[in-house]
Amino acid sequence: DAGITQSPRHKVTETGTPVTLRCHQTENHRYMYWYRQDPGHGLRLIHYSYGVKDTDKGEVSDGYSVSRSKTEDFLLTLESATSSQTSVYFCAIGGPNQNTEAFFGQGTRLTVV
Amino acid sequence: KNEVEQSPQNLTAQEGEFITINCSYSVGISALHWLQQHPGGGIVSLFMLSSGKKKHGRLIATINIQEKHSSLHITASHPRDSAVYICASGGTSYGKLTFGQGTILTVHP
Repeated sequence: DAGITQSPRHKVTETGTPVTLRCHQTENHRYMYWYRQDPGHGLRLIHYSYGVKDTDKGEVSDGYSVSRSKTEDFLLTLESATSSQTSVYFCAIGGPNQNTEAFFGQGTRLTVV
Repeated sequence: KNEVEQSPQNLTAQEGEFITINCSYSVGISALHWLQQHPGGGIVSLFMLSSGKKKHGRLIATINIQEKHSSLHITASHPRDSAVYICASGGTSYGKLTFGQGTILTVHP
């Protein structure tokens, strides 16, 4: 299994508070992604990174920011959590090459109350 | 915009049956991924393919690039195969994946 660790695995937070989720990889992969998984929507891309300090928005990026100061760490921040951000968040590594397999972290279940 | 459609959304089978899950996508891709997710669990990569066919144990994945269609087959299904199966298309744009809605498979003993 690829070395991808997400923390925390579970979190309950109150509306309006900032929350940071961490993704740590030991594969030295250039490309990293944050997805959220919701019933009826499947997995959707929030933000992605193509190198240290190189990030861009995905299809559901509103209310989220990311940072990547080191190759191994990709942080997802909810600036002011809302109930609509209650979801399961997955970090992944991959790439555009047709031979690059995708690997996912175990997921973080976030509940905003 | 690439769209990925899976069918069926739900599938119930008896142990031992042959199972097929289908996936169609709308634009050209670099690779097609098949993923497995057990209830409450993480997402595991089963296959990544850009052409032809791949086999791993009882699982077989095929792709037809011209028709933009892929299938996942499970031979001699077993209750432990019960999971959500997700196909995802991989584009050349930074490797971003577009996911299907998933197929919930339940295999009864």
